[in-house]
Amino acid sequence: SAVISQKPSRDICQRGTSLTIQCQVDSQVTMMFWYRQQPGQSLTLIATANQGSEATYESGFVIDKFPISRPNLTFSTLTVSNMSPEDSSIYLCSVREGDTQYFGPGTRLTVL
Amino acid sequence: EDQVTQSPEALRLQEGESSSLNCSYTVSGLRGLFWYRQDPGKGPEFLFTLYSAGEEKEKERLKATLTKKESFLHITAPKPEDSATYLCAVQPFSGTYKYIFGTGTRLKVLA
Repeated sequence: SAVISQKPSRDICQRGTSLTIQCQVDSQVTMMFWYRQQPGQSLTLIATANQGSEATYESGFVIDKFPISRPNLTFSTLTVSNMSPEDSSIYLCSVREGDTQYFGPGTRLTVL
Repeated sequence: EDQVTQSPEALRLQEGESSSLNCSYTVSGLRGLFWYRQDPGKGPEFLFTLYSAGEEKEKERLKATLTKKESFLHITAPKPEDSATYLCAVQPFSGTYKYIFGTGTRLKVLA
């Protein structure tokens, strides 16, 4: 399975600022996903990012708040914009191989 | 509406005490059901994929089974290192490859 890395692994940010999370995969993949896992909750899909096309956002998530880039088949970024304490979560990158999704280690974000 | 429910929310077992975790699902058409293990502070680690009722998969002390309405993750003679949150997800036949996750079962195995 693909090896996925994320940067940063964790960060503490001030309200109103933005953070960009990077996701790097060791092989070329068509579909990448970004998830949010709020404290004590399960995973919620934010958006699907395919190379060469606009990201597709799930209900409740908008591009202005969570802009995504997918410049090539091994890399993607998720930006959390104008952060508030409610954005404190673990953000996970995922890739699809066959029918299975594999996850990165996550980025733990705390917003003060 | 597609939905996944896992039970129990939390489970404490003594080392060697076998048990089962449940994942009930409601989906218009099932493309696949997936089990993951998640350790604190880490991303989910893939365990199993099940596609059709009657299918079973095994890995060490874990065995996953699937019916038309639910899946079980059986843990035989667990060890403390099996302590983790176990997540279940389903992928409907929606054409988007989207997963729907349950809220997980937090398993604690005591030595």
